[in-house]
Amino acid sequence: QKEVEQDPGPLSVPEGAIVSLNCTYSNSAFQYFMWYRQYSRKGPELLMYTYSSGNKEDGRFTAQVDKSSKYISLFIRDSQPSDSATYLCAMNFQGAQKLVFGQGTRLTINP
Amino acid sequence: SQTIHQWPATLVQPVGSPLSLECTVEGTSNPNLYWYRQAAGRGLQLLFYSVGIGQISSEVPQNLSASRPQDRQFILSSKKLLLSDSGFYLCAWSDGQFNEQFFGPGTRLTVL
Repeated sequence: QKEVEQDPGPLSVPEGAIVSLNCTYSNSAFQYFMWYRQYSRKGPELLMYTYSSGNKEDGRFTAQVDKSSKYISLFIRDSQPSDSATYLCAMNFQGAQKLVFGQGTRLTINP
Repeated sequence: SQTIHQWPATLVQPVGSPLSLECTVEGTSNPNLYWYRQAAGRGLQLLFYSVGIGQISSEVPQNLSASRPQDRQFILSSKKLLLSDSGFYLCAWSDGQFNEQFFGPGTRLTVL
């Protein structure tokens, strides 16, 4: 079993839809949770960073962490074609030098 | 602000040839540095990381090596490339106090 599981998709939704991207994990020691967005042929860029449980909102993006269920989500409201990319979740714990990444979900927003 | 550079952006090399990819970071000191490989349609595979000059940790045994000759310079090398070395190579840095990593633009390597 992988430490972090992420459905690779592809996921295709119409413009304006609410998108939900998810990751599950097995290591209860994880405390820091990140979402990266990667456009085709580009390096990943950090989109959201959260610590422990709860929600964090930034514009159209909301990151949610449920440590009791070992489940994290990224919601995109009013999705735009420019949101079409691969989204990777990542996580680690205090003192860890490395991140553990999900496989990434390829998302396409159709105009 | 911090910036990370990688070069070359693209590279086509024959099997058996040597490889040298370079990564430099500006605007920070004593960063943790990372090399990842991403095969087409696949996730990120951590290859090497470094917490200081001359300190290299290898994650995957293979024909690649890494070096950190200066604080903000990280080099990925191979003496003889294999077809399976093709992929998208990404360098990343992090502040030792925080957990986020920041990625460079990547080098696309094709081995023929």
